[in-house]
Formats: sequence, C-alpha cells, structure tokens
Amino acid sequence: SQQGEEDPQALSIQEGENATMNCSYKTSINNLQWYRQNSGRGLVHLILIRSNEREKHSGRLRVTLDTSKKSSSLLITASRAADTASYFCATEYNAGGTSYGKLTFGQGTILTVHP
Amino acid sequence: EAQVTQNPRYLITVTGKKLTVTCSQNMNHEYMSWYRQDPGLGLRQIYYSMNVEVTDKGDVPEGYKVSRKEKRNFPLILESPSPNQTSLYFCASSYWGRTTDTQYFGPGTRLTVL
Repeated sequence: SQQGEEDPQALSIQEGENATMNCSYKTSINNLQWYRQNSGRGLVHLILIRSNEREKHSGRLRVTLDTSKKSSSLLITASRAADTASYFCATEYNAGGTSYGKLTFGQGTILTVHP
Repeated sequence: EAQVTQNPRYLITVTGKKLTVTCSQNMNHEYMSWYRQDPGLGLRQIYYSMNVEVTDKGDVPEGYKVSRKEKRNFPLILESPSPNQTSLYFCASSYWGRTTDTQYFGPGTRLTVL
C-alpha cells in the first residue's frame, strides 16, 4: 500500500534552530497531513495541505508540497525544547473525488530539540 | 472536554486469551478507526467504521475484530491474541472520515502478549 516516508528518521538540533522534515509518497494524492506525537501518546493533527496548494503556514510551522516530486516538507522555525516529538505525514490515494477512511502514515521523524 | 478515550491503557496478557480494548468518543463523530504502531513500521490501520454497523478492513486486519453498535463506541477485539500482536494501539475518530478531516487520537493502549 502507499506509504509516506519521512526523512530524516531522526533529527537533533539546538533550541532556536529551524527543523526541516521531509515526506515522500508514491502515488497522486488529494491532500497530505502532518501529525505530531509526543513519546508514547496519541497523535495530534498539525496541518493539512491540499494537492492544489504549494505552501501553508500555521504559527511557526510551514508546510510545502511539491506534487511533481511527490514530496512535502515540514519546517519548524525557532524550535523549542517542547517541540521534541515524532512527526508523521499522512497521505491517501487520489481515487477520484473525496477519499474516505484510509489515511496512510509514514514511519515518522524523531525530532529532539536540546535546550 | 472533547476527547477519545481508550481502556485499558496498559495490558499484559497471554497467548489465546480473548481481550477487548474499548474506544469511546464524545464528539458525535461518524468515523472511527483503529491503528497499531510498531517500531520501524509507523502506524498501520487495522479497521475503520464510517457509521454505526458499517465497518471495513484497513491494511492489517488479520487477527482482529471490531463492532460498531453505537456511534460513540468502537471496541477492538482480539479473539486469540498472539505475541505478534504486541504493539501500541490507537483509536481515532473524525467527523465524516474524509481524508480532509482531522483525526482525533486516543492516548493509546500498550498491549503485550506473552
């Protein structure tokens, strides 16, 4: 099945630096979502970008989408220790029209922000 | 408070002993889903439900059952658990199940099958 693949698997930075995580996928999509997971806890939705959008912002988050390369990136600016978490992209097949039910998650990027 | 709850949060059991993990949401969501999370494999969908009495298989349904008799509840049943079902399980819900809808996740259930 289609799966988003995040890169890098792990990222370690200092507070104040920017963190960039990438997600690649295999087939065309309607939209792509990013989620955050604190250690051992449930995922929390961060942002959704539709296939006809190229960039989206939410606070310190910036998401880009390049459908020609089948990739997306999540940028966290001015990182904080509290941003330490795993970050996942989630995609679904473009089967024509709205897709229901089947979000596919990647393996995630583990971000560690050192104070 | 809007939330998805799961019980139990931690469970250690033995091979073959039937168990049920409950999931409940208080947001009147139509759509509910179960995932398992394993190191190196990410989250994989087990089953989902678009509405009461409507369920469908996800990517890894073998060894699991679900039921949706009420909108708010979506229990996950392991009739005969095996060690390869040791995992971290998440329940999620959203309004309609469209992939543009935000999914709200429960806190997770860590299951160990000996």
